Amino acid sequence: KAGVTQTPRYLIKTRGQQVTLSCSPISGHRSVSWYQQTPGQGLQFLFEYFSETQRNKGNFPGRFSGRQFSNSRSEMNVSTLELGDSALYLCASTLQGAMNTGELFFGEGSRLTVL
Amino acid sequence: ELKVEQNPLFLSMQEGKNYTIYCNYSTTSDRLYWYRQDPGKSLESLFVLLSNGAVKQEGRLMASLDTKARLSTLHITAAVHDLSATYFCAVGNNDMRFGAGTRLTVKP
Repeated sequence: KAGVTQTPRYLIKTRGQQVTLSCSPISGHRSVSWYQQTPGQGLQFLFEYFSETQRNKGNFPGRFSGRQFSNSRSEMNVSTLELGDSALYLCASTLQGAMNTGELFFGEGSRLTVL
Repeated sequence: ELKVEQNPLFLSMQEGKNYTIYCNYSTTSDRLYWYRQDPGKSLESLFVLLSNGAVKQEGRLMASLDTKARLSTLHITAAVHDLSATYFCAVGNNDMRFGAGTRLTVKP
């Protein structure tokens, strides 16, 4: 069974640009969450999607947005990039329904460097 | 807002020793998760604790949950070098929040 797939794995952008990151969840998983990981702030929750709807959002500015498609794949977008957006962006999926334990399964991450 | 606190944040151990990592959280939850992260890697699920008094063990690691005290512990028995990693606890449902992580180094 394939795991969570994130693309691209590495990318370099300059300030002011925008970036789109993609996440394909484990087959059958309908919930996708995004996290930002930095040495200073640790793992911070960005947002969570289920059935194409954003159910929860963390404390991030509006420059951070996301969406989920009907096949449960998700994208997140960061506009007007700032140096502080340099981070590892992690996507995680989880099974919903009666068998759901809430356990998150993480992808390898997309490492964004903003210059 | 839900707060998750871990301590210690850094832990250096000798091989063969025992130690415990603590995880406190601020709001009621009957679920708690432990994850491991190796340098440059993603997070790997270690334990899923789903009720008060839950105890799970895998090898040299044992996790427990006390929902009344809002406390979970991750106990390391007879540490070995391969356990060197960062360990995170996490609480929540569809907006899981993570502790700051405990960076464990096991020295020969």
